[in-house]
Amino acid sequence: DVVMTQTPPSLSVAIGQSVSISCKSSQSLVYSDGKTYLHWLLQSPGRSPKRLIYQVSNLGSGVPDRFSGTGSQKDFTLKISRVEAEDLGVYYCAQTTHFPDTFGAGTKLELK
Amino acid sequence: EVQLVETGGGLVRPGSSLKLSCATSGFTFSNTWMNWVRQAPGKGLEWVALIKDKYSNYEANYAESVKGRFTISRDDSKSRVYLQMNTLRDQDTATYYCTRRGYYTPWGQGTLVTVSS
Repeated sequence: DVVMTQTPPSLSVAIGQSVSISCKSSQSLVYSDGKTYLHWLLQSPGRSPKRLIYQVSNLGSGVPDRFSGTGSQKDFTLKISRVEAEDLGVYYCAQTTHFPDTFGAGTKLELK
Repeated sequence: EVQLVETGGGLVRPGSSLKLSCATSGFTFSNTWMNWVRQAPGKGLEWVALIKDKYSNYEANYAESVKGRFTISRDDSKSRVYLQMNTLRDQDTATYYCTRRGYYTPWGQGTLVTVSS
């Protein structure tokens, strides 16, 4: 199975600050169709996960543009510009290029 | 609007069985591959099972941790996917979510399964 390694495990931020989360995969996530199926999810406290970004850099419907995703092959980054209170929670990267789907262990974003 | 609603969770004893159901709407269920994903309390996300569509002969796949104990199935006429869980263990305690494979949006509210004596 593809191992997804997220860092850091937690982040303490002030509102308005910008942060980045790293996700590295044990194999390239480029599929045979040329696309890269790396996604970012946010699980707010007490809630179900929500997809923020799909295929590395595409914002999901209704997701604010202070979220951005970059990366390629095995190395990916989620950036949040100007963190707001509603952004707090646990962020997961997920890959669906290879079977089975696998997830990072999560990065907990907390308020400083 | 795509909706996924999981039901069937509860408190059960180790060794017992439980069947989860996921009702879906808002998309073409019959040609969508469906997953079950679970999350143990305070832990991360774990893929559990996948069922493909009729064009792939409803092929099913399982995580090693549940292989031989869990069975995923679907009813295309009802747009529902199921997870039959047998010989439950303490380690199966989790919130179970059904998801559309490859999309991971939206997520339902999940259904909590607690296995405890």
